[in-house]
Amino acid sequence: NAGVMQNPRHLVRRRGQEARLRCSPMKGHSHVYWYRQLPEEGLKFMVYLQKENIIDESGMPKERFSAEFPKEGPSILRIQQVVRGDSAAYFCASSPPGRAETQYFGPGTRLLVL
Amino acid sequence: DAKTTQPTSMDCAEGRAANLPCNHSTISGNEYVYWYRQIHSQGPQYIIHGLKNNETNEMASLIITEDRKSSTLILPHATLRDTAVYYCIVRVDSGAGSYQLTFGKGTKLSVIP
Repeated sequence: NAGVMQNPRHLVRRRGQEARLRCSPMKGHSHVYWYRQLPEEGLKFMVYLQKENIIDESGMPKERFSAEFPKEGPSILRIQQVVRGDSAAYFCASSPPGRAETQYFGPGTRLLVL
Repeated sequence: DAKTTQPTSMDCAEGRAANLPCNHSTISGNEYVYWYRQIHSQGPQYIIHGLKNNETNEMASLIITEDRKSSTLILPHATLRDTAVYYCIVRVDSGAGSYQLTFGKGTKLSVIP
């Protein structure tokens, strides 16, 4: 059973470009969570999605950030017009229905904005 | 979710038991204690959780005091691969509608050869 997969593992963007981060949950998991970890800091929750629904986006910045989890395919975290402050590790996690406390994390995508 | 307090860092000799404390004096009756760890450059990994009884699995043991105001994660025979940041998280069960995990600064455990 493959774990949570994220790609790319590393992403370099120039200021003003778009970043698209992908996450495939574990088999059988229909709940996806995105977290951001700034350098030397702990993980911060961003958004929680189920298939085709955003359940909780209380941690998402109001502008430039969006997330989706379509019926088919991976979950996507999209950052438009990136700025240097967006440089961070972005982790995706998944859980089976009803077990949000036991989240399985992917290896993360490290975004560097030049 | 209740606030937790953990030491910033700890050392442990390889092969010895690592005992990581966590204070959660404001924990409420329906809140569980969860432990995750993050090995350098990897995503966090679930270790164990409990409500009031002590718990054990293949990775670790969790000892929760009778008043539930503190707990200890025990790695019985620490190896170099256990070097990581360990996070103690207190939260209600997801059935109560809470989904996010709140990570503090954790304890950086260094296992020394």
